[in-house]
Amino acid sequence: QSALTQPASVSGSPGQSITISCTGTSSDVGAYNYVSWYQQHPGKAPKVMISDVSNRPSGVSNRFSGSKSGNTASLTISGLQAEDEADYYCISYTTSSTYVFGTGTKVTVL
Amino acid sequence: EVHLVESGGDLVQPGGSLRLSCGASGFTFSSYWVHWVRQTPGKGLVWVARIKGDERTMNYADSVKGRFTVSRDNAKNTVYLQMNSLRDEDTAVYYCARGAYHLYYLDFWGQGTLVTVSS
Repeated sequence: QSALTQPASVSGSPGQSITISCTGTSSDVGAYNYVSWYQQHPGKAPKVMISDVSNRPSGVSNRFSGSKSGNTASLTISGLQAEDEADYYCISYTTSSTYVFGTGTKVTVL
Repeated sequence: EVHLVESGGDLVQPGGSLRLSCGASGFTFSSYWVHWVRQTPGKGLVWVARIKGDERTMNYADSVKGRFTVSRDNAKNTVYLQMNSLRDEDTAVYYCARGAYHLYYLDFWGQGTLVTVSS
């Protein structure tokens, strides 16, 4: 159950687009379309932004989108805004009926 | 409105035990999986365990298997995490979260409770 691999940090200017990758294995990310993404501001609980690779739960801005290719999932934030500055985590269901989180990515808005 | 509230966090010595509780309201509790997730201060999220609404199906991360036990009392709308043989590395904020209905993500989270393992 090794953590999924994410870049430690990603940055962009307001209005730009950024993409965060989440790399796993054929036993987790590659096995199912059950990757979700969470945003966490300091001192707050995580909030789901994307479910099942590319679905946006009700209330989440359409600036957030997700995709997957093989063992790597991606989260794209378009039209970057100051409020998007936060930590982002992916999580995948696994073939062992467990879940595994990514290492987390700190997004900085320049 | 869905609401999850964790309690029971405390300072405990290595080798000790602690039981966390997660009280829920605002939904049909027995129909949902409930998960435990932890976060070491300043570090990332780690999935710990989950329990199905039927109270009989549980899954655990390898790092806690054999030491932690998740259970629930649907009559009390509460999920528990019994933590035994605690180690320094178990120090973390522990969150409970609801599994989305018949889906594979966590849709509502509590605010967390801090467990500190230290002598």
